[in-house]
Amino acid sequence: DSGVTQTPKHLITATGQRVTLRCSPRSGDLSVYWYQQSLDQGLQFLIHYYNGEERAKGNILERFSAQQFPDLHSELNLSSLELGDSALYFCASSPRPTGYTQYFGPGTRLTVL
Amino acid sequence: AQKITQTQPGMFVQEKEAVTLDCTYDTSDQSYGLFWYKQPSSGEMIFLIYQGSYDEQNATEGRYSLNFQKARKSANLVISASQLGDSAMYFCAMREGLNTGTASKLTFGTGTRLQVTL
Repeated sequence: DSGVTQTPKHLITATGQRVTLRCSPRSGDLSVYWYQQSLDQGLQFLIHYYNGEERAKGNILERFSAQQFPDLHSELNLSSLELGDSALYFCASSPRPTGYTQYFGPGTRLTVL
Repeated sequence: AQKITQTQPGMFVQEKEAVTLDCTYDTSDQSYGLFWYKQPSSGEMIFLIYQGSYDEQNATEGRYSLNFQKARKSANLVISASQLGDSAMYFCAMREGLNTGTASKLTFGTGTRLQVTL
């Protein structure tokens, strides 16, 4: 158990809908990262937050947004969902922005029908 | 160019044998980190081992060791005394720019599926 929690574990929804994925980092970790794992794209970095501030953006679609709250949990919002958004979404945390290992949560498997 | 290359899509190893999973990387940064993660069929990503670019000794964690050859830009994972529970996907990853304050993302390879047989 990495200490990173993600909810829900599974999510099935329809095209055009909006969903929110939630992540709680390990106790004391200030950095939260979101990744998407799909069959065609592999593991892709989406976005990084450190202590509530956005630090870096990767291949994140405009339909996707994220935020980190004062209690350090983070939410990834996916809207206008398309079939191609079906993937495993991981949250990871680390104590600092740089130089430290990222510990991954169990992931949220999103299926868009 | 691919930042992380894992050329072995699949590998088989017999129980109790050692196995090496290959990883080569491409970066112009001087300060970077290399990581290996294990992803069992259940889906979670489990951190195994880390090697910093300035670390002089190869990293070891239990049955895992990282064969770091900086000049060749390779960071192979060695698993000794394989167990059935080692069957999983293994991903090599890199974080660049560790000394610039801008390091953020992990860049992953495509993974190697390891199957341990009796």
